[in-house]
Amino acid sequence: EVQLVESGGGFVQPGRSLRLSCRASGFRFDDYAMHWVRQAPGKGLEWVSGISWNSGSIGYGDSVKGRFTISRDNAKNSLFLQMNSLRAEDTALYFCAKDRGPTSNYGMDVWGRGTTVTVSS
Amino acid sequence: DIVMTQSPLSLPVTPGEPASISCRSSQSLVHDNGYNYFDWYLQKPGQSPQLLIYLGSNRATGVPDRFSGSASGTEFTLKISRVEAEDVGVYYCMQALQTPHTFGQGTRLEIK
Repeated sequence: EVQLVESGGGFVQPGRSLRLSCRASGFRFDDYAMHWVRQAPGKGLEWVSGISWNSGSIGYGDSVKGRFTISRDNAKNSLFLQMNSLRAEDTALYFCAKDRGPTSNYGMDVWGRGTTVTVSS
Repeated sequence: DIVMTQSPLSLPVTPGEPASISCRSSQSLVHDNGYNYFDWYLQKPGQSPQLLIYLGSNRATGVPDRFSGSASGTEFTLKISRVEAEDVGVYYCMQALQTPHTFGQGTRLEIK
């Protein structure tokens, strides 16, 4: 079964850091690009970041650029999101998603259930 | 950044009737390879989003054929030929041509 399972969310104070993980199974992880997408409470979807199959192409949303870092470990079938200098507006459900292709352009066809990040003092 | 504008934002539909959602991009989404780098997603209540249409007009695996996507320049349309109760949720368009990828505001489809 193709599956993505996120972890690492939690409650954190503004200015602190958090690292999200996404464990993939049921498909050849190193063939596909991966994404992080978030959804603030009661709001729409926001693309956070994407990474190509070999980490050669990486992109970020404007609101997280310079603060968040995406990475992957193909040997461990895992995707990560290092989130620094967290702000209240980063509070959201964070989804990990698989792309249909090796670069982040072909549609996100598998999604995890998400992990919740709450930033508050 | 490319701006995606959806309409309508709310769509009440009678079961069995057709439905249509539009999405306009602020610039062309055509890649050098000729494909539109554009997707449609559906987020059903309480669920993660799911891919409906990729590259402008291709149905994702398992998506019923009552769903179809089309493109004309910077205008994209999702059509549901006959709405069923299970189609309820929020529909999002997204461009994948440039980073940052950007979503539309979402269209909430409800059953009358």
